[in-house]
Amino acid sequence: DAKTTQPTSMDCAEGRAANLPCNHSTISGNEYVYWYRQIHSQGPQYIIHGLKNNETNEMASLIITEDRKSSTLILPHATLRDTAVYYCIVRVAVGNQGGKLIFGQGTELSVKP
Amino acid sequence: DGGITQSPKYLFRKEGQNVTLSCEQNLNHDAMYWYRQDPGQGLRLIYYSQIVNDFQKGDIAEGYSVSREKKESFPLTVTSAQKNPTAFYLCASSITGARSNYGYTFGSGTRLTVV
Repeated sequence: DAKTTQPTSMDCAEGRAANLPCNHSTISGNEYVYWYRQIHSQGPQYIIHGLKNNETNEMASLIITEDRKSSTLILPHATLRDTAVYYCIVRVAVGNQGGKLIFGQGTELSVKP
Repeated sequence: DGGITQSPKYLFRKEGQNVTLSCEQNLNHDAMYWYRQDPGQGLRLIYYSQIVNDFQKGDIAEGYSVSREKKESFPLTVTSAQKNPTAFYLCASSITGARSNYGYTFGSGTRLTVV
């Protein structure tokens, strides 16, 4: 199973872009990269996912390197409400019906005024 | 509104007692999952179910049991065999199939404390 490595914590100034890195050097060709975030004492919230191409939605952008060994989640204009733990996850396939998500320790992002 | 509901939000249990945590979803999702989270830690998978009447052990299934009699419901029982049950428990669901992104929807969690 592919594992991910993320920094334990990061700070970001309010209004600036937050760039959260993730290494997944053992990722397989058919495994997706997912990002979730968890605000204290709540359930994790889906942010974005991707396979090879860069992806963007209303919450964030996901940049995946060409060799797929690492990725970066970008929050373009961080707000105080973006303070949370961010999890980078590689989806593990289970049979033909899709995968279970294995969570690591995540990155604790603190957005400061 | 569709969603996934966990109840209760807080639960206290005496040592030696079994307790059941509820998880209900009205999203028509095929798959459901139970995770455990300890303070300052990531989520660890306890059990998961891809279809009704079938479920699989996750990484830390010892001391837990589940059932999946209905698509909408996936209750988790924490038995007296679980040595350290105090934790935050999260339930999730997802659709399956070739066209899904397998993204999970999580409930708001149940915080279990053994007293």
